[in-house]
Amino acid sequence: NAGVTQTPKFRILKIGQSMTLQCAQDMNHNYMYWYRQDPGMGLKLIYYSVGAGITDKGEVPNGYNVSRSTTEDFPLRLELAAPSQTSVYFCASSYSGSEQYFGPGTRLTVT
Amino acid sequence: ILNVEQSPQSLHVQEGDSTNFTCSFPSSNFYALHWYRWETAKSPEALFVMTLNGDEKKKGRISATLNTKEGYSYLYIKGSQPEDSATYLCASQGGKLIFGQGTELSVKP
Repeated sequence: NAGVTQTPKFRILKIGQSMTLQCAQDMNHNYMYWYRQDPGMGLKLIYYSVGAGITDKGEVPNGYNVSRSTTEDFPLRLELAAPSQTSVYFCASSYSGSEQYFGPGTRLTVT
Repeated sequence: ILNVEQSPQSLHVQEGDSTNFTCSFPSSNFYALHWYRWETAKSPEALFVMTLNGDEKKKGRISATLNTKEGYSYLYIKGSQPEDSATYLCASQGGKLIFGQGTELSVKP
């Protein structure tokens, strides 16, 4: 199993650009999550999904959108990127809310 | 929104020392308490998930306890080794999983 994969590993965006961070898991987990990690702030939940077709907001959803059309994929969309979205983004999955398996992260810089 | 607090923020110990950290969480609307180990430049890895008051779990030299009535969990590391150096995150699961800011452990040889 590849586990949780994320692409790209790194990305630099200009202010106002858009992009999609990809996340996929091959463990047939129903729950998937997106977090951002800011220095000294730990992990903040952006969005999560409890199954295909179902998504819900986390602590810091503003400026982001998600979709969950399949069990495997949970892309995170940034529209109109802002410097405040410079962060490391982690995708995770779990089976029915149990221990989470994290992807390797995407380091995003918005300048 | 739940407020999960971890202490201390950082800890420096010598190889062979035993150490412990605290995770405090609101005891209302509680479902489970997670502990994760996060090494620099890697992704968080799950250590334990505990649900019942009085739960105690162990993995090698690392163990954890849970008190859901008073809202705290302890993580213990016996005989710390340099490879234990990492940030240890706890997270409280109610409707959502809310992470604490972590305890950064540094073990010197």
